[in-house]
Amino acid sequence: LAKTTQPISMDSYEGQEVNITCSHNNIATNDYITWYQQFPSQGPRFIIQGYKTKVTNEVASLFIPADRKSSTLSLPRVSLSDTAVYYCLVPKPEYGNKLVFGAGTILRVKS
Amino acid sequence: DTEVTQTPKHLVMGMTNKKSLKCEQHMGHRAMYWYKQKAKKPPELMFVYSYEKLSINESVPSRFSPECPNSSLLNLHLHALQPEDSALYLCASSQGSGLAVQETQYFGPGTRLLVL
Repeated sequence: LAKTTQPISMDSYEGQEVNITCSHNNIATNDYITWYQQFPSQGPRFIIQGYKTKVTNEVASLFIPADRKSSTLSLPRVSLSDTAVYYCLVPKPEYGNKLVFGAGTILRVKS
Repeated sequence: DTEVTQTPKHLVMGMTNKKSLKCEQHMGHRAMYWYKQKAKKPPELMFVYSYEKLSINESVPSRFSPECPNSSLLNLHLHALQPEDSALYLCASSQGSGLAVQETQYFGPGTRLLVL
């Protein structure tokens, strides 16, 4: 069963790089890994998606090792406005391969 | 326009009331979703519409009734709700059929519902 495990919460300071790791030991061969961000009282927002190695966009980078059993979302130089919940998602066969949100990681950025 | 809009932003209703939540997108997306999110919990999928047809119903109680009048609109009709149904209701859309897990979903800001 494709289950994801993330830290419940992380604290950081402004200007630091933040790395959030997600484990997905049973990821299927064709599955992508997707990350969403959610601010309080708002809907989730797509951040980044990847299949292997490294993906980078204007917001974040996603590092995926060769075995694909984990992935790391990297946020460069965070600011207070990056305080949010970050969700790592992989398809779950028991849910018909729909995207199912796990508990997510609460990131708190302090000044 | 990459926005999903939802109305109303807030809604308070009694257990005997009938109300509706509305969602709209003008991105030409063919899949639309309803999610329910309780405080400090992740969003939970309720319904998926694909090409204006209901394709997924996650065993949601019949007091929630979705409707997709056209490809841009999605409604959620509420009747005889319970206090435990109080939550943030999120609408989302995606470009494809809604059945491919790699599709990026675009979420609206949600309707915060309180059932008294």
